Formats: sequence, structure tokens, C-alpha cells
Amino acid sequence: EPEVTQTPSHQVTQMGQEVILRCVPISNHLYFYWYRQILGQKVEFLVSFYNNEISEKSEIFDDQFSVERPDGSNFTLKIRSTKLEDSAMYFCASSDQEQPQHFGDGTRLSIL
Amino acid sequence: GDSVTQMEGPVTLSEEAFLTINCTYTATGYPSLFWYVQYPGEGLQLLLKATKADDKGSNKGFEATYRKETTSFHLEKGSVQVSDSAVYFCALGGIIQGAQKLVFGQGTRLTINP
Repeated sequence: EPEVTQTPSHQVTQMGQEVILRCVPISNHLYFYWYRQILGQKVEFLVSFYNNEISEKSEIFDDQFSVERPDGSNFTLKIRSTKLEDSAMYFCASSDQEQPQHFGDGTRLSIL
Repeated sequence: GDSVTQMEGPVTLSEEAFLTINCTYTATGYPSLFWYVQYPGEGLQLLLKATKADDKGSNKGFEATYRKETTSFHLEKGSVQVSDSAVYFCALGGIIQGAQKLVFGQGTRLTINP
């Protein structure tokens, strides 16, 4: 069964540094998403992306965050200047139109 | 805004026990409802879904019925196994221009003892 893959599985970064989290969605999916889960808290929606543009974003997704689909297969989340509170598990997901989302295994981001 | 409230965990049961994990929601419109499961070290996997009132989602012996009158989507299984140990997330989803934003509950950790 096709799956969403995320790299790296764990990223450790100094505060203030830029970080890029990578995702390869399922190949025929058109909708892409990022969520995050701070330890012990809910999984929170960050952003959805369709047709090379953001379709919706949450209040968390401020100017420090950006998403990109640089080629036909990758979908990236960039955090420009990381803060301690960005430490979380970040999940990528993809879907067909109006179909349930398929999630990757997540990237654990640790900010020091 | 939309929200999902799940029963507090952790939940610990013996093998073959009956399971209920409560989930209630607040939403505008008519969202779809989901249960996702997260096994240790893995991502979120869709367990079951229901897209309209009175629909029953089922998979791997788990069931949940979309109850609009009580705004609930409780997860049940008649006889749990050790392999069901995981974290279970209730979620609602609304479609905007084909994309679906999921709103999750806080998750319920389930441990099944042999």
C-alpha cells in the first residue's frame, strides 16, 4: 500500500536556525497538509496546500513558516528562525479530493 | 470554532474486555468524523470514518456511529486484544475547496494486558 514518507525522523536544531522538514506524499494525491503535536498535547492543523498554493492555514502558521512543493514529489515545511516552542512532532499528510488523509510517521523536531 | 473532546486516558483493560472510548464534538455544519490510531513509533492511521448522521464506521472489530442528536462518535470494540494497545484519536473534518482540515481530540492511550 502506498504511504507518505517523512525525513528526517528526528531533527535537532539550535534556536534561531532554519529547519526544513521533508515529505513525499502519495503519488496521485493532490492535497497536502502539515500538522504538529507538541508533547502531551493535541495534534494541531498547520496548513493545507493544493494546486501550488496554500488553501487554509491556522493561527500557528505565522510568517516564520512556509511550505513548498519544489518538484513533483516533495512537499516541505520550512521554519525560518526556530524557537524553543517549535519543538514538536510534525506530521505530513496527503489525500485525494474529499478522501481521508494518509499520514506519515512524523519528524520529531527538537530545538535546543 | 470546531472542537473534539475525548475521554481522558490512559485506559487499561484486560484482553477480551469490552472497550468504549467516548468522543463528543462541536462543529458548524455537517463534518465527517474519524478515528485514527497511532501505534508506538508510527504515524496516524485511519481506523474508521463516518460522513453523515447515523452512519456507522467499522474496521478490525472497531465500530463508531455518527450521532448528530448527541454530537458523539464513541469508539467501541467487543473484545480487545493486546495488539490493540495504541493511542486513539477522534477527529472531525470539514471540506474547504476539496481540502480537509482535521480537528483532533487529545488522544486516549489504551493499554491491553494479557
